[in-house]
Amino acid sequence: AQRVTQPEKLLSVFKGAPVELKCNYSYSGSPELFWYVQYSRQRLQLLLRHISRESIKGFTADLNKGETSFHLKKPFAQEEDSAMYYCALSGSRLTFGEGTQLTVNP
Amino acid sequence: EAGVAQSPRYKIIEKRQSVAFWCNPISGHATLYWYQQILGQGPKLLIQFQNNGVVDDSQLPKDRFSAERLKGVDSTLKIQPAKLEDSAVYLCASSLDNRGQGYVQETQYFGPGTRLLVL
Repeated sequence: AQRVTQPEKLLSVFKGAPVELKCNYSYSGSPELFWYVQYSRQRLQLLLRHISRESIKGFTADLNKGETSFHLKKPFAQEEDSAMYYCALSGSRLTFGEGTQLTVNP
Repeated sequence: EAGVAQSPRYKIIEKRQSVAFWCNPISGHATLYWYQQILGQGPKLLIQFQNNGVVDDSQLPKDRFSAERLKGVDSTLKIQPAKLEDSAVYLCASSLDNRGQGYVQETQYFGPGTRLLVL
């Protein structure tokens, strides 16, 4: 079975502060991990995927197989980062976590 | 490029009634997905099509839900009869051909969703 856990439903930070959205997974095979984002009144869209190893909008995520984690990080949060963030794992199908609502306060 | 289109955007029905949702994927995308997103939860895959064939419907409640993609393009998802717990947002997504050796998950592009309320 494959499972994604996002322990924080809500996360609030101030503009300019570092932000980390946590994601843990369970999967017996070799996982492919993603972060999807949904801004207010917009569609769910891909933010980044671990195989690309790239930074998108200042966000990075490193796959840690030992800790089965794929935390999303940004050193300096911006107000426009406020959104719902979903971690997802691709095994037999794409499985989403329950999401973390990030609010960046001015 | 035009995105994934879904209709209707909102639907309110009474329990035991039937309802249908429509999805038009991005042109050229062979793979189409239907997800159910209950309030406070992440999207959950209901069914995945590759062209007009079903790849995965293991999480589709087949006693009341059905879906088809007859010509390998548009798709419809039907619920009959609806229950209160079917209240959710139904998301359609599409991607390029999601098969092949060295399988890598293609990026899924999501539609705006249909918000269903069952009273």
